[in-house]
Amino acid sequence: DAGVTQSPTHLIKTRGQHVTLRCSPISGHKSVSWYQQVLGQGPQFIFQYYEKEERGRGNFPDRFSARQFPNYSSELNVNALLLGDSALYLCASSLAGLAKNIQYFGAGTRLSVL
Amino acid sequence: AQSVTQLGSHVSVSEGALVLLRCNYSSSVPPYLFWYVQYPNQGLQLLLKYTSAATLVKGINDFEAEFKKSETSFHLTKPSAHMSDAAEYFCAVSLFLYNNNDMRFGAGTRLTVKP
Repeated sequence: DAGVTQSPTHLIKTRGQHVTLRCSPISGHKSVSWYQQVLGQGPQFIFQYYEKEERGRGNFPDRFSARQFPNYSSELNVNALLLGDSALYLCASSLAGLAKNIQYFGAGTRLSVL
Repeated sequence: AQSVTQLGSHVSVSEGALVLLRCNYSSSVPPYLFWYVQYPNQGLQLLLKYTSAATLVKGINDFEAEFKKSETSFHLTKPSAHMSDAAEYFCAVSLFLYNNNDMRFGAGTRLTVKP
């Protein structure tokens, strides 16, 4: 069975640009979460979606937005990129978005902002 | 509020030695606790989780962790380190809330295994 897949694997952008990252969850999983992992730090929670509705939002500016599609895949959008947005962006899926559910992580998209 | 503190950003052990990675948490509600491992250029893989059942939790690859409420700790151990255990390890806590996967991760501990 396919795991969580993320695309692209690497991305280089310049300041002020916009970026869209994509995530396909494990088949049957209805919840997707997004995390930002800056080099040398642990992942930080950005968003959680369940059944196409936002169920959680971390402490990130409004430049960050996301959505979940009817097939449960998800997109993370970041506008007006800053140098500090350079990070590994991880997507995780789980069955039902419950705290006790195991989250399965993708390999991430590494974003470099120049 | 909840947070996780991992003591020691780097831990080095010899192959065959005991592995001990420390994690302390703070939470206003009973927590769910997790240990994840991250190999270079990969995502996170779950090692084990505590969800208020047995306090001693066994995970994959002979890792285990013990939940100690009195010490607010969830330390990860492995009796005998292998070279393949070299990786970054993250402790994480999740709120005991319905429909919330807002996990808070520690800063990570990089484990080095010497031959």
